[in-house]
Amino acid sequence: NAGVTQTPKFQVLKTGQSMTLQCAQDMNHEYMSWYRQDPGMGLRLIHYSVGAGITDQGEVPNGYNVSRSTTEDFPLRLLSAAPSQTSVYFCASTSELGTEAFFGQGTRLTVV
Amino acid sequence: AQSVTQLDSQVPVFEEAPVELRCNYSSSVSVYLFWYVQYPNQGLQLLLKYLSGSTLVKGINGFEAEFNKSQTSFHLRKPSVHISDTAEYFCAVNRDGSGGKLIFGQGTELSVKP
Repeated sequence: NAGVTQTPKFQVLKTGQSMTLQCAQDMNHEYMSWYRQDPGMGLRLIHYSVGAGITDQGEVPNGYNVSRSTTEDFPLRLLSAAPSQTSVYFCASTSELGTEAFFGQGTRLTVV
Repeated sequence: AQSVTQLDSQVPVFEEAPVELRCNYSSSVSVYLFWYVQYPNQGLQLLLKYLSGSTLVKGINGFEAEFNKSQTSFHLRKPSVHISDTAEYFCAVNRDGSGGKLIFGQGTELSVKP
């Protein structure tokens, strides 16, 4: 049982480049989320999904896109990377009604 | 809207001493409350959670927390810490039934010294 799998673990981008952070879960959870972690700010919600085909914005959505074509996958896209997007990104998969969230190991992204 | 405040950004403590990490939240609706731990360069692991019922919640690794509705607090405690408890701890809330949209505090860095 892998839980939540994120790839890649590390990435360096140049300003203006695009990339997709991958997230997959094998727990058949409907709810999935993306967070970014910055020093002294905790984790902040970027986008979330309550099921295949349904997504919505969180607290800091600007510069990021998501889609949810299957229950298992929830990729996060950076269309034009900026240095302000340097952060650690976590994907989470949540049990029904939000009683427990399971996190991936994170992706450390640096934009130069 | 919900918000979470962790009152201490860093807590240094000696091994085998007790520790309390403080968390206050604000919400006008019923919430679920969580404590997560993050070891260096790792993801988040659930320590414990309060959903309903008994206000004293026991978690993994000897940690416990008490939900205090009147003070809107959910402080984390351990009677005797170990070096291995050195990590960052996050308090989080979500509105019950909100589908896992967690609101996190800023984090508390616990440093256990020999």
